[in-house]
Amino acid sequence: GQNIDQPTEMTATEGAIVQINCTYQTSGFNGLFWYQQHAGEAPTFLSYNVLDGLEEKGRFSSFLSRSKGYSYLLLKELQMKDSASYLCAFGSSNTGKLIFGQGTTLQVKP
Amino acid sequence: SAVISQKPSRDICQRGTSLTIQCQVDSQVTMMFWYRQQPGQSLTLIATANQGSEATYESGFVIDKFPISRPNLTFSTLTVSNMSPEDSSIYLCSVENTGELFFGEGSRLTVL
Repeated sequence: GQNIDQPTEMTATEGAIVQINCTYQTSGFNGLFWYQQHAGEAPTFLSYNVLDGLEEKGRFSSFLSRSKGYSYLLLKELQMKDSASYLCAFGSSNTGKLIFGQGTTLQVKP
Repeated sequence: SAVISQKPSRDICQRGTSLTIQCQVDSQVTMMFWYRQQPGQSLTLIATANQGSEATYESGFVIDKFPISRPNLTFSTLTVSNMSPEDSSIYLCSVENTGELFFGEGSRLTVL
């Protein structure tokens, strides 16, 4: 079957680093996506990993281990505006669709 | 990238009525999808809107409840039929373009 799991909520302090983990299971894998969604807004694309390793993009980095079915999103130098829900999703090569996790609500405190 | 316009952005509906949501994309795209995001939850795929043929529905979603049109490569509609309070949700149109999935702003429906 297919499933994907990530923590429901996290809290971090402004200026700190936070890592949001995501684990998944699928028989056909076509990449791991991270999206950011502010309350009341549509999700916006953050990153895409299809090969193992770390992809860095400014303050945000995303890591993938296909053998472990594991990814994380790393946010550095946290800012208050980073308070949002972070959605992990994998692409299913069987269907061409994205399967989303429940999302992790991150609250950044001063 | 792709710019997606959805309307209405929000609506309050009466039980038993139906509402059609429109999705317009600024470029021709092959893949268009409709998602639902219930309060406090993540995105659930309703169906893939296919141009020129019937939509492909996910498990738990049926055409009678969520009829979809896709008359061309830039436009699609989703109708939520015979609404009940359980249909209160955000409905999002999305398109796949160059490997990325782009989302419209969503249509927030509240059913009384």
